[in-house]
Amino acid sequence: AQKITQTQPGMFVQEKEAVTLDCTYDTSDPSYGLFWYKQPSSGEMIFLIYQGSYDQQNATEGRYSLNFQKARKSANLVISASQLGDSAMYFCAMREGLRSGAGSYQLTFGKGTKLSVIP
Amino acid sequence: DSGVTQTPKHLITATGQRVTLRCSPRSGDLSVYWYQQSLDQGLQFLIQYYNGEERAKGNILERFSAQQFPDLHSELNLSSLELGDSALYFCASSVSPETGELFFGEGSRLTVL
Repeated sequence: AQKITQTQPGMFVQEKEAVTLDCTYDTSDPSYGLFWYKQPSSGEMIFLIYQGSYDQQNATEGRYSLNFQKARKSANLVISASQLGDSAMYFCAMREGLRSGAGSYQLTFGKGTKLSVIP
Repeated sequence: DSGVTQTPKHLITATGQRVTLRCSPRSGDLSVYWYQQSLDQGLQFLIQYYNGEERAKGNILERFSAQQFPDLHSELNLSSLELGDSALYFCASSVSPETGELFFGEGSRLTVL
C-alpha cells in the first residue's frame, strides 16, 4: 500500500484565492512527522511546513497551514491568498519512528501535485 | 538558499560510465541523505550517513555507493550507468532527527545517453 497518497495530479487556483492540496498517509507507527515541500520548475526542494503526530495544534507558517486530521490520516496543505510564485509541484512526505532513537530521517514522498496559479 | 551545496548541477554522460556527485551539508549538520527523483519512480530515498557512518539504506542499487568524509561532505558514486539512471539526485542534511526540517540542495541532474 502507498504510504503517502496525493490524489490530485494537478490543480488550478485563481490568484489571491485559497487552495487545499490533499495528502493521506498510512502508518501504524504512533510517532511520525508529516512534511510538505515545494519544488518550483528550477528543481530545488523547499521545505514549507511540518506537523508532528503528537502536536496538539495544526501547524502554520505564514500563508501555509496544515489541516491535520489524525483519525482520517490526512494532512492537507492549505495555501491562502495564492500568488503566481506558488505555481510549483508540491510534495507531501512522512517520516516514521520519530521516537525510535535510531537517528534515521528517511522521508517517504507522495507523487506530488502540480499547482498552477492563474492570474 | 538552503545551505546545502551540490556539484555538479548538470552532468551528461554515456552508458557504462561512472560519475561522482558531491554534497556539502549545512554547517553543523551531521546527517546527509541522498534521494533520487525520476519521472517513473518519484522521489526515492537512497542512503543516509550520520557523522561518517552509514545509518540507513533505501532503494540504492549495488552499482551505486556513497560515503561521508571526516569533514562531513558526502559523495555518491554511480557506476556502470544505464539509461534508467537519468534522474535528479538530491542531497539533504539535517542536524537532528528531532527537528522538523530536512534541508535539500538544488540537486544534480544526471543525463545518461
